[in-house]
Amino acid sequence: GAVVSQHPSWVICKSGTSVKIECRSLDFQATTMFWYRQFPKQSLMLMATSNEGSKATYEQGVEKDKFLINHASLTLSTLTVTSAHPEDSSFYICSARDLAPGGVYNSPLHFGNGTRLTVT
Amino acid sequence: DAKTTQPTSMDCAEGRAANLPCNHSTISGNEYVYWYRQIHSQGPQYIIHGLKNNETNEMASLIITEDRKSSTLILPHATLRDTAVYYCIVRVSHAAGNKLTFGGGTRVLVKP
Repeated sequence: GAVVSQHPSWVICKSGTSVKIECRSLDFQATTMFWYRQFPKQSLMLMATSNEGSKATYEQGVEKDKFLINHASLTLSTLTVTSAHPEDSSFYICSARDLAPGGVYNSPLHFGNGTRLTVT
Repeated sequence: DAKTTQPTSMDCAEGRAANLPCNHSTISGNEYVYWYRQIHSQGPQYIIHGLKNNETNEMASLIITEDRKSSTLILPHATLRDTAVYYCIVRVSHAAGNKLTFGGGTRVLVKP
């Protein structure tokens, strides 16, 4: 089945530094990827929709200058948390849908295993 | 997308069937019902989805009522590894960029 890989799986950084998280679709091409954030004991909250070759679409309340998204190829999207602060500590998860020729739009999203970010 | 209502939590016995209900009374005719689960500290895992017919795969069965206002996910023989948060989501699926919106889900604890 379709596999989405995230790297790193966990990262600890100091306040004020930037952190880049990678999301790769390993065996399919994804024109669209989604970035979610999850705080402890809460559900996943969609942050932004990443579109290959164009600007990302951010959900209301998500700062686009703080969470930089780049989707330069059909298999890679990156999320950069700039000038991270302790309140940015969270579990970040990406997802993508396989839309290869013959694929259907109701095919499921596949999720990466997440990146746990801790800002000290 | 239609909102869903699920019990906050439920327990079930190992080896028994687990029946997880979901209400989606405002579902539209072109909205699918999706089920995902999230095991602790992992990304969500797709389980099954359907439009109006009942569906079955190697993981579970999905029973959708005739009026489509509710559905039940059935794990036929629950194991300890099925302990997870289960999310029921309804979504229109006609566009590549269509996102999934997660609610609170049901926290399922499978007990020996």
